Amino acid sequence: GAGVSQSPSNKVTEKGKDVELRCDPISGHTALYWYRQSLGQGLEFLIYFQGNSAPDKSGLPSDRFSAERTGGSVSTLTIQRTQQEDSAVYLCASSLRTGSCTFGSGTRLTVV
Amino acid sequence: DAKTTQPNSMESNEEEPVHLPCNHSTISGTDYIHWYRQLPSQGPEYVIHGLTSNVNNRMASLAIAEDRKSSTLILHRATLRDAAVYYCILRDYNFGNEKLTFGTGTRLTIIP
Repeated sequence: GAGVSQSPSNKVTEKGKDVELRCDPISGHTALYWYRQSLGQGLEFLIYFQGNSAPDKSGLPSDRFSAERTGGSVSTLTIQRTQQEDSAVYLCASSLRTGSCTFGSGTRLTVV
Repeated sequence: DAKTTQPNSMESNEEEPVHLPCNHSTISGTDYIHWYRQLPSQGPEYVIHGLTSNVNNRMASLAIAEDRKSSTLILHRATLRDAAVYYCILRDYNFGNEKLTFGTGTRLTIIP
């Protein structure tokens, strides 16, 4: 596709359940980022993948959060045992290594 | 990470030029100056970036101080659609340091 695609666009889950968020980056982009944005707040970096290098996981807030990127393309962000404070918009972006980043429209996660 | 400082908010009249300042006094020689903006309920979008020379594109112009410790994003003729949060970000292209770190940005309000 022409842009970064994220699914689902909205997700409501019960506290304690696991969720998976998906990101399809722009074809050929070697870099993939995950951010989250709580209501009225700025963008918080979560994790960064670059080619075949080990990902930069320095932004993951707890060990309940994990992400993988299969075949250098699609990425999945998994949140285990969700908590109410995990409610936010989760944004994915991709780029060539030194190019501008293109963001998806995000997944709005609500934990009830 | 090198940090940037921006005013929290600015207002401008429609159809007038807007100058959005950014201070980055600790910028290093390998840092590029990037600008992104986030319209309401959308993911961020790339605006412009530069290293040392002033840059122009269809969206905006970027004026970079000679010592590179500050820069200004210029919207030549603001429209209501330019109302957004504008982020000034330093991006190091050295391998492994390419991630974007967002600050709080400047919330631009356009007055009709």
